[in-house]
Amino acid sequence: AQSVTQPDIHITVSEGASLELRCNYSYGATPYLFWYVQSPGQGLQLLLKYFSGDTLVQGIKGFEAEFKRSQSSFNLRKPSVHWSDAAEYFCAVGMEYGNKLVFGAGTILRVKS
Amino acid sequence: DGGITQSPKYLFRKEGQNVTLSCEQNLNHDAMYWYRQDPGQGLRLIYYSQIVNDFQKGDIAEGYSVSREKKESFPLTVTSAQKNPTAFYLCASSIGPGPLLDQPQHFGDGTRLSIL
Repeated sequence: AQSVTQPDIHITVSEGASLELRCNYSYGATPYLFWYVQSPGQGLQLLLKYFSGDTLVQGIKGFEAEFKRSQSSFNLRKPSVHWSDAAEYFCAVGMEYGNKLVFGAGTILRVKS
Repeated sequence: DGGITQSPKYLFRKEGQNVTLSCEQNLNHDAMYWYRQDPGQGLRLIYYSQIVNDFQKGDIAEGYSVSREKKESFPLTVTSAQKNPTAFYLCASSIGPGPLLDQPQHFGDGTRLSIL
């Protein structure tokens, strides 16, 4: 069965520091991968997506993610974190048919000044 | 602006009552989804609909029902059979069914349901 693992429940970084959020997936076919961000009490906003081609994808708000097939990973990165980046981040894998998404449990990012 | 509207933002239910959560989209999307979000568990799919008058169960459909009579609307009813309904419910939509996963899902702002 398809699954997504986000190993870190909480991460705290200092403002201006770099960030990497981990995501590992289990899926037999070519994965369709997404990162979403959620502010408290709000819906999810798409940060970036990967379907094929260049394994380094750029998203909104200065985020990027790298797809590594050999490691079944799709880690999210940002070179310099801003206080407004504090939120919960979800990695998701899309199944080939039906537009169904399987989500990881999420990583809560805290930014300290 | 196009988007997804969920109402109400907060909803309270008494034991034994059914409640209906509204989801309306003006994005002209064919596919719509309902997710349940609990702390530390991510989002779990309740029901989804790829086209009007058709819907399928997701991973946790027990105790829930849906209808899709109009393209724009996909209401979710939480029935009294759902023993633990307290959660944050999110509605989403995407362009269409089939292998169109280059079109991501767009989400509403959610409804928080609590039991009195």
